[in-house]
Amino acid sequence: KQEVTQIPAALSVPEGENLVLNCSFTDSAIYNLQWFRQDPGKGLTSLLLIQSSQREQTSGRLNASLDKSSGRSTLYIAASQPGDSATYLCARWTGRRALTFGSGTRLQVQP
Amino acid sequence: EAQVTQNPRYLITVTGKKLTVTCSQNMNHEYMSWYRQDPGLGLRQIYYSMNVEVTDKGDVPEGYKVSRKEKRNFPLILESPSPNQTSLYFCASSSSPGGTEAFFGQGTRLTVV
Repeated sequence: KQEVTQIPAALSVPEGENLVLNCSFTDSAIYNLQWFRQDPGKGLTSLLLIQSSQREQTSGRLNASLDKSSGRSTLYIAASQPGDSATYLCARWTGRRALTFGSGTRLQVQP
Repeated sequence: EAQVTQNPRYLITVTGKKLTVTCSQNMNHEYMSWYRQDPGLGLRQIYYSMNVEVTDKGDVPEGYKVSRKEKRNFPLILESPSPNQTSLYFCASSSSPGGTEAFFGQGTRLTVV
């Protein structure tokens, strides 16, 4: 069964820093990966979808990369802001038509 | 605006009292799914549906029922809720599971006492 691991579990940075969130997965099959953001008491907001054929995807200050050979994805956040504070989840589609989620990285950006 | 809408957002109920959590999407997606989120266990799939009248079990289906009579709606039914079903529930939809972006609802926080 596929497992998705996210490191670190929590991260606190001062405003303005660039940061990297890590996601690793065990299944080498060709499936897409999606990054989400979850705010307390709210739903999951999709940030980026990386197709299995892509190496990276960008949206504003966010850049996500995918390396299937090493089973890793990273989410790069440039010039972090207090409004970026949230839990970031990576999830990978499985052959069973489900998303397998990592446990998340809780990010706190200090003003 | 493309969205997945769940109702209610918060629900407190008693053990054994049947309840339904509704989910509706306005994107004409064929695929819909239910997940529950629990501390330390993360998000786990309960049921999914590939189209009208086509549903299948996820990882944790026990104690839940679903139906898909219309493309836009995918209600989650708890026939006899128990305290271990206290959780945060999310509905999701996608035009092509695995191929395109998945959209999630705002969540329903259920407490069973």
